[in-house]
Amino acid sequence: GQQVMQIPQYQHVQEGEDFTTYCNSSTTLSNIQWYKQRPGGHPVFLIQLVKSGEVKKQKRLTFQFGEAKKNSSLHITATQTTDVGTYFCAGPLSGGYNKLIFGAGTRLAVHP
Amino acid sequence: NAGVTQTPKFQVLKTGQSMTLQCAQDMNHNSMYWYRQDPGMGLRLIYYSASEGTTDKGEVPNGYNVSRLNKREFSLRLESAAPSQTSVYFCASRLGGSSYNEQFFGPGTRLTVL
Repeated sequence: GQQVMQIPQYQHVQEGEDFTTYCNSSTTLSNIQWYKQRPGGHPVFLIQLVKSGEVKKQKRLTFQFGEAKKNSSLHITATQTTDVGTYFCAGPLSGGYNKLIFGAGTRLAVHP
Repeated sequence: NAGVTQTPKFQVLKTGQSMTLQCAQDMNHNSMYWYRQDPGMGLRLIYYSASEGTTDKGEVPNGYNVSRLNKREFSLRLESAAPSQTSVYFCASRLGGSSYNEQFFGPGTRLTVL
């Protein structure tokens, strides 16, 4: 069945270092969404990418959608302790536009 | 605007007990969802409701039932709780009608089944 995989599962960095998480889909996606979940919290929508090769920035966060629309990445420049949390990517479930399939997430720990 | 609200926040059940998790949204969204989150497993869809009056199974529906009471409310029922249902449960809503709409999540219910 359709799968969305994220790597790494977990990463810890020193504050100020960069961080990247990768998302790979087994199928071509019409769009991909990224969510962030703080420890003990709930997922919160960050951004959506729609176009092949699209790059979007939110302050220190850079999101990319692959040319084939099967992979995506989130890069954080100069991490801060406020970046701590789990980052999920999600894409539409094939044949069911009302449903999303989520990756397992990448948990980021930032040491001051 | 409260967004998506869930009750209760925490619950402990004994094996075999039943309970209903409540979810409500005030954003006039058409679609609502129930997920469970287990360590290292991400978010797995239990049931969803594309619009008022419809419900459908997700990835892991066994042991659960749902009711879309009206456009605002979507409840999840565990008829006979099992330890494997220990998890964090999130309700979410979405405007619907398109894969391009974001999902809004509630604060979650942390359920332990002993």
